[in-house]
Amino acid sequence: GAVVSQHPSWVICKSGTSVKIECRSLDFQATTMFWYRQFPKQSLMLMATSNEGSKATYEQGVEKDKFLINHASLTLSTLTVTSAHPEDSSFYICNYPGRDYGYTFGSGTRLTVV
Amino acid sequence: GESVGLHLPTLSVQEGDNSIINCAYSNSASDYFIWYKQESGKGPQFIIDIRSNMDKRQGQRVTVLLNKTVKHLSLQIAATQPGDSAVYFCAENIGGGFQKLVFGTGTRLLVSP
Repeated sequence: GAVVSQHPSWVICKSGTSVKIECRSLDFQATTMFWYRQFPKQSLMLMATSNEGSKATYEQGVEKDKFLINHASLTLSTLTVTSAHPEDSSFYICNYPGRDYGYTFGSGTRLTVV
Repeated sequence: GESVGLHLPTLSVQEGDNSIINCAYSNSASDYFIWYKQESGKGPQFIIDIRSNMDKRQGQRVTVLLNKTVKHLSLQIAATQPGDSAVYFCAENIGGGFQKLVFGTGTRLLVSP
């Protein structure tokens, strides 16, 4: 159980455009989803926590208006990178925080902003 | 707190050797720990977990040891194979429920045939 499907796997976008990343829980209902960012050769840094039916909680230093998180249903959480810039290029990963499932991760999205 | 590393420590082993990857965690109140394997371009993959009421747990070819006295966690991989080459992260969790994980800096394991 606890399969998290993340799309797209990779995306290249032009500077100034927006990109949406989706994470779907396939065989369970996720009231909470964590979103992480990972730069090359670095560890995972928590960006925000999405909560179904309420506002996301952002970590210190993460711009709420730039990284829009929506958790409109129990099976879908989305992260939208708005007005993307090259410094936003990174690996974005969602994570379902269930101990019974070992905190399952999505497969990640490689974002490259050119 | 959360760790950020500019250079991943690397462990190089020969195929068939046993590997030991170490991790120092940050919070004495953490009660749940996970080891993840991450291959290039992929999300972290769960390997094994351990709760703070245990000091050892074994899986298939892997063993996790927990020393709460010195806040140290280790992952032992028996008979290491080239397919084990990846970056390994430890993560700690406090409080259960839907609390976040805090990750270590990671260790790159290189297995030579």
